Amino acid sequence: GAGVSQSPSNKVTEKGKDVELRCDPISGHTALYWYRQSLGQGLEFLIYFQGNSAPDKSGLPSDRFSAERTGGSVSTLTIQRTQQEDSAVYLCASTREGLTNEKLFFGSGTQLSVL
Amino acid sequence: GDSVTQMEGPVTLSEEAFLTINCTYTATGYPSLFWYVQYPGEGLQLLLKATKADDKGSNKGFEATYRKETTSFHLEKGSVQVSDSAVYFCALSGRGQGAQKLVFGQGTRLTINP
Repeated sequence: GAGVSQSPSNKVTEKGKDVELRCDPISGHTALYWYRQSLGQGLEFLIYFQGNSAPDKSGLPSDRFSAERTGGSVSTLTIQRTQQEDSAVYLCASTREGLTNEKLFFGSGTQLSVL
Repeated sequence: GDSVTQMEGPVTLSEEAFLTINCTYTATGYPSLFWYVQYPGEGLQLLLKATKADDKGSNKGFEATYRKETTSFHLEKGSVQVSDSAVYFCALSGRGQGAQKLVFGQGTRLTINP
């Protein structure tokens, strides 16, 4: 596609349920990022994938969060046993190789609401 | 670790006013600096960037100068328009291991009234 695509755009779930968020990066982009944007907060880095290298998971807030990237393209962010504090907009971004001087292309995000 | 501090918002201005949104950073070495903008209902997009000290990034009438001595990258525009209403994020990418991710400030919501 022309840009980074995320689905669903909105997700409402009950506390304790698991959710999966999907990201389709721009074709040919080898680097993929997940960020979280909470109300009134900045963007919080979660995880970074680059090609076949081991992902940088240093931003994942707890072991309830995990992400995978299949075939170097589509990525899924999974949140297990969701909590109300997980409510946020989850943003995916991609870039051609690595960040360095390249810009990130962001998707429109998934608005997650945990009731 | 690396961090970015932005001017608290929200900021409300009248059309044609002068805009400054302050941004300061803490980083090891000399990071690259960015301003991203999020228009209503749209994804974040790069507005401008600067990769070394004294560089000036510019786009759409906005400017920001990389000031190493004050560790700042303030965003300015001489005459704002209603269409500039958005949330603005200052960000950096560090060096070494930190080079591969952006560290963002908390964002500043700007509203321009006609």
